[in-house]
Amino acid sequence: GAGVSQSPSNKVTEKGKDVELRCDPISGHTALYWYRQSLGQGLEFLIYFQGNSAPDKSGLPSDRFSAERTGGSVSTLTIQRTQQEDSAVYLCASSLSTDTQYFGPGTRLTVL
Amino acid sequence: RKEVEQDPGPFNVPEGATVAFNCTYSNSASQSFFWYRQDCRKEPKLLMSVYSSGNEDGRFTAQLNRASQYISLLIRDSKLSDSATYLCVVNTGSNYKLTFGKGTLLTVNP
Repeated sequence: GAGVSQSPSNKVTEKGKDVELRCDPISGHTALYWYRQSLGQGLEFLIYFQGNSAPDKSGLPSDRFSAERTGGSVSTLTIQRTQQEDSAVYLCASSLSTDTQYFGPGTRLTVL
Repeated sequence: RKEVEQDPGPFNVPEGATVAFNCTYSNSASQSFFWYRQDCRKEPKLLMSVYSSGNEDGRFTAQLNRASQYISLLIRDSKLSDSATYLCVVNTGSNYKLTFGKGTLLTVNP
């Protein structure tokens, strides 16, 4: 079946602009995660959604980062007033409850 | 001490070689352990979970030593297609938040 999809695959923006990254999880998966992978670094947890529960936002690096999940399915990660250090690959994953996480192909964000 | 620490490599081995990766974790309350594989510019994919009794999947064997907080992955008879970055992943206490090591780069040469 269809896996996790993310859009856009690549995004180049200017410093100070806002960006929105989209994630479509696997149908039926209740849990959705956002991670960030910077060059030469491991994956960094950003935020977790599980059903209708309040999200775990403990990994968001600053208040410029926010995410929402509408209708328990699609999620959008928004970065306001982007900075060069925000350049990274943003990966979304989904899972059935707390089972194996399946990753999307990621969005490569470049902030000039 | 980093939460999950791996030897970054790179490991360059000939086809057919046996190669072992090691990983240590700092949170003794960790419950779940995994090895993921990430190809260049691709997303991570689960390779195998790691169980206390050790587990094997074809040419791949994973071991967990809770006392030493140490995880290993052994690849036997390595293939060119095994070339990738191998990520050690630990569930650090919560039941969903995974912590990833930075990965070990493996290149298998013909």
